[in-house]
Amino acid sequence: SQTIHQWPATLVQPVGSPLSLECTVEGTSNPNLYWYRQAAGRGLQLLFYSVGIGQISSEVPQNLSASRPQDRQFILSSKKLLLSDSGFYLCAWSPGTNAQYFGPGTRLTVL
Amino acid sequence: SQKIEQNSEALNIQEGKTATLTCNYTNYSPAYLQWYRQDPGRGPVFLLLIRENEKEKRKERLKVTFDTTLKQSLFHITASQPADSATYLCALMKTSYDKVIFGPGTSLSVIP
Repeated sequence: SQTIHQWPATLVQPVGSPLSLECTVEGTSNPNLYWYRQAAGRGLQLLFYSVGIGQISSEVPQNLSASRPQDRQFILSSKKLLLSDSGFYLCAWSPGTNAQYFGPGTRLTVL
Repeated sequence: SQKIEQNSEALNIQEGKTATLTCNYTNYSPAYLQWYRQDPGRGPVFLLLIRENEKEKRKERLKVTFDTTLKQSLFHITASQPADSATYLCALMKTSYDKVIFGPGTSLSVIP
């Protein structure tokens, strides 16, 4: 069966520091991969999605970037965090059957 | 631009009753519509998918309708239970490999 992992589960970072969040999927190949952010009490905001290695589409201009170095690995990065980057970051994968399957999320607090 | 709206207010219902949640969309023609459940501090969990050529889909106590003329989907939970309390999200998709656009969600509380 397929599983999706995200780490870390929680993170507290100072403004201006770098960020790296990792997501990996097991048990499938060539999945679509997604990064979302959810601010407190708000809906899901799609940040990036990828349909293959090295193929990244950005939805919202910001100081974040994403990379897909391997088929089942998706990384979200920032060189300098802003206060507004705080939120709940969710990685998801889709097998092409339209449903999306989410990871456990990373709670990021920027101070 | 595309816009998805769900019940603006939180929904409180008595245990055993049927909960009905609404999802309306504009400036979009989705081929697929999905419903997810999200508990606090957790990622959304996929519940049901309905295609544009399907009027209704059922899964146990859940029922989804999809009216492409009205640009609306209704999500029903029959014989609701306190364990059904959560936020429910609708999501739209144009093609199998397209991005998914999520609505803001509706908070449902089932009161014992």
